Amino acid sequence: DSGVTQTPKHLITATGQRVTLRCSPRSGDLSVYWYQQSLDQGLQFLIQYYNGEERAKGNILERFSAQQFPDLHSELNLSSLELGDSALYFCASSEEGLLGYEQYFGPGTRLTVT
Amino acid sequence: AQTVTQSQPEMSVQEAETVTLSCTYDTSESDYYLFWYKQPPSRQMILVIRQEAYKQQNATENRFSVNFQKAAKSFSLKISDSQLGDAAMYFCAYRSARSGNTPLVFGKGTRLSVIA
Repeated sequence: DSGVTQTPKHLITATGQRVTLRCSPRSGDLSVYWYQQSLDQGLQFLIQYYNGEERAKGNILERFSAQQFPDLHSELNLSSLELGDSALYFCASSEEGLLGYEQYFGPGTRLTVT
Repeated sequence: AQTVTQSQPEMSVQEAETVTLSCTYDTSESDYYLFWYKQPPSRQMILVIRQEAYKQQNATENRFSVNFQKAAKSFSLKISDSQLGDAAMYFCAYRSARSGNTPLVFGKGTRLSVIA
């Protein structure tokens, strides 16, 4: 158990809909990262937050957005969903500074768009 | 931008034998971290081993070791005495060591099968 939690585990929805994925980082970790893993592919970085502020952006679509709240949990919002958005979405967290080289991954949320 | 390449989509190994998974990366930075992650059928991402670029000594974790060739930008993973539980997808990943934690850049992965 990495200490990172993600809800829900599975999500099935229709095209055009909007969903919210939730992540709670390990206790004390200020950085949260979101990654997308499409079928049998590597993980693609979407976005990073640090202590409530956006720190880095990767290949995140305009239809997707995220935020990190004062209690450090983060939400990833996916809207106008398309079939191609079906994927496993991971959240990871890390400490800041020299000890922060390791990212701890949550179990992921599997999104299926039908 | 940094890239990570894993040229072997699939590999197989006999139980108790040794297998090496390849990884190359491209970067203009001199300070960075390299990782191997394991993803079993449960889909959980598990850190197997890490290497700091400034360290010349290759990292070792029990049956797992790396061959880090900084000049060649190569970072291979050797699994010794392979076990059935080693069957999984293995991802090589890069992270810049510049100030402020940075995201991971992953390769596309190598699917390892272990034959009993």
